[in-house]
Amino acid sequence: GAVVSQHPSRVICKSGTSVKIECRSLDFQATTMFWYRQFPKQSLMLMATSNEGSKATYEQGVEKDKFLINHASLTLSTLTVTSAHPEDSSFYICSARGLTGELFFGEGSRLTVL
Amino acid sequence: EDKVVQSPLSLVVHEGDTVTLNCSYEVTNFRSLLWYKQEKKAPTFLFMLTSSGIEKKSGRLSSILDKKELFSILNITATQTGDSAIYLCAVEMEYGNKLVFGAGTILRVKS
Repeated sequence: GAVVSQHPSRVICKSGTSVKIECRSLDFQATTMFWYRQFPKQSLMLMATSNEGSKATYEQGVEKDKFLINHASLTLSTLTVTSAHPEDSSFYICSARGLTGELFFGEGSRLTVL
Repeated sequence: EDKVVQSPLSLVVHEGDTVTLNCSYEVTNFRSLLWYKQEKKAPTFLFMLTSSGIEKKSGRLSSILDKKELFSILNITATQTGDSAIYLCAVEMEYGNKLVFGAGTILRVKS
């Protein structure tokens, strides 16, 4: 079945640095990928919709200059958290729609900003 | 504003019990409703519901959608400790294909 891979699964960085998270669809092409953020014991909050070859669509309240999304190919979308701060520490999950329309999630990336 | 509300927020039961999780929604351009189970990492897909009144089953789990009353339930019979997880309900929009998630129900099954 379709698989979505996310990397890294865990990252710790210093405040002020930037962190890049990759989301890959391994055996299918995904023109659209989604990025979510999840705080402990809370649900997934959609951050943005990543569109291949065009700009991402951000949800209200999500800073596009803070969370840079690039969808350069049909199998890869990246989320860069720029100038990360401790409040950016969270679990970030991507998802992509497979050929049958089912949505597949990556394994998630846990970001800790010190 | 689109919203998805799940209840209860948390639930503790004993092995063998049957549980019913609820999900109600108010969204524009409804396309489908999905249930996910989340343990330690990413959510895993359980069901996708698009039509009212048609029950979907997978082992001890079943789910049904009522598009008139705008809700869905997820039933788990003969619960096991391995069923302990967060159960997420999400509604998929017709346009943009995005999902709006509910807050989730934390289920804990005690042995």
